[in-house]
Amino acid sequence: DAKTTQPPSMDCAEGRAANLPCNHSTISGNEYVYWYRQIHSQGPQYIIHGLKNNETNEMASLIITEDRKSSTLILPHATLRDTAVYYCIVRDYYGGSQGNLIFGKGTKLSVKP
Amino acid sequence: KAGVTQTPRYLIKTRGQQVTLSCSPISGHRSVSWYQQTPGQGLQFLFEYFSETQRNKGNFPGRFSGRQFSNSRSEMNVSTLELGDSALYLCASSLQAGTETQYFGPGTRLLVL
Repeated sequence: DAKTTQPPSMDCAEGRAANLPCNHSTISGNEYVYWYRQIHSQGPQYIIHGLKNNETNEMASLIITEDRKSSTLILPHATLRDTAVYYCIVRDYYGGSQGNLIFGKGTKLSVKP
Repeated sequence: KAGVTQTPRYLIKTRGQQVTLSCSPISGHRSVSWYQQTPGQGLQFLFEYFSETQRNKGNFPGRFSGRQFSNSRSEMNVSTLELGDSALYLCASSLQAGTETQYFGPGTRLLVL
């Protein structure tokens, strides 16, 4: 089962920041937080991941709380092309025999003009 | 660098037939994972291959099998197709097994009639 909880849907106005929350209260010290998104029936697209520090790349920023029990993905200036299902996933850093991604239901983000 | 490619993109089969799907990973990536996505069950892990060896398997019946070749290309096979096998089959590649970021292909949409 997925170890994360996300709101099923969110709306965001075009040009505004989209803040997508994720709860992972049972995360362990060895687990990363990964974010992917899936635009209608395409393959999931990797966005960003982090362990404990905040991370930023050309697509988004990831803010992880100090206790690591929740995180927020921030799309700074949402466009209509950001409309997608966003998945938050926790994944064991050491992989072992369980390196696969366990997807939950994600958050359906709708960016509106 | 070219992304993950999957062939064919669309496929229609009838119950009882078998099907083979192909995945070419990103150049230099040695690990390939397969996922099934259906409206009811969401994205579910099928198996992972690294260095021509299956190192991890999800909870799917033995009708689902796969293999990886020495050039890291992978195939998955579904025998005795059932209506419930209709799904989007996604392949993801990563540099190494387990912990590396996985990058997804566009998927193969299989319809079983």
